[in-house]
Amino acid sequence: QSALTQPPSASGSPGQSVTISCTGTSSDVGGYNYVSWYQQHPGKAPKLMIYEVTKRPSGVLDRFSGSKSGNTASLTVSGLQAEDEADYYCSSYGGSNNYVVFGGGTKLTVL
Amino acid sequence: EVQLVETGGGLIQPGGSLRLSCAASGFIVSDNYMSWVRQAPGKGLEWVSVIYRGGSTYYADSVKGRFTISRDNSKNTLSLQMNSLRAEDTAVYYCARDMTTVDEYWGQGTLVTVSS
Repeated sequence: QSALTQPPSASGSPGQSVTISCTGTSSDVGGYNYVSWYQQHPGKAPKLMIYEVTKRPSGVLDRFSGSKSGNTASLTVSGLQAEDEADYYCSSYGGSNNYVVFGGGTKLTVL
Repeated sequence: EVQLVETGGGLIQPGGSLRLSCAASGFIVSDNYMSWVRQAPGKGLEWVSVIYRGGSTYYADSVKGRFTISRDNSKNTLSLQMNSLRAEDTAVYYCARDMTTVDEYWGQGTLVTVSS
């Protein structure tokens, strides 16, 4: 049950775009279109930002977008704002007996 | 309104047992896939266990044989029985509904501290 690989940190200036990658294997990210992305502020529960690779739950701004190519998924945050500064985690369905596998998290800093 | 409220966390000595509960409202637990996810202090998220609608259960290797997930349909609650606790089990434990879907929902978590 290996974790997905994310860069530990990412940064950008207000108004810029930043992309966070999430690399897995053909048994998780590459094998299913069930990649999710979460935003977590300190002391808070994770908030679902993207599900099924590209879909946004109601209420999530369209500045957040997801994509996937092969075994790597990506989250792009456009028009960076101060409130986007948070930890971001990816996850993927990994099969019935390895239900969900998470990435190690990326700390996004808005400069 | 959908709500998940976790209880049962606290300080427990290594080797001890603890039972977490997750009270659900606004939906029926047995109609959904229910999971436990944990987060050690300053660390990332780790999936712990899932119980499917049909009752099948699965566990992360790190807790297999020590933790048991279950649900009480009469009380509409999800539980996690944790035995043989170790220091590395120290974490905030979240219950979550229907992970990987648009209907996903998380509780606010309960802190478990394993220490002597």
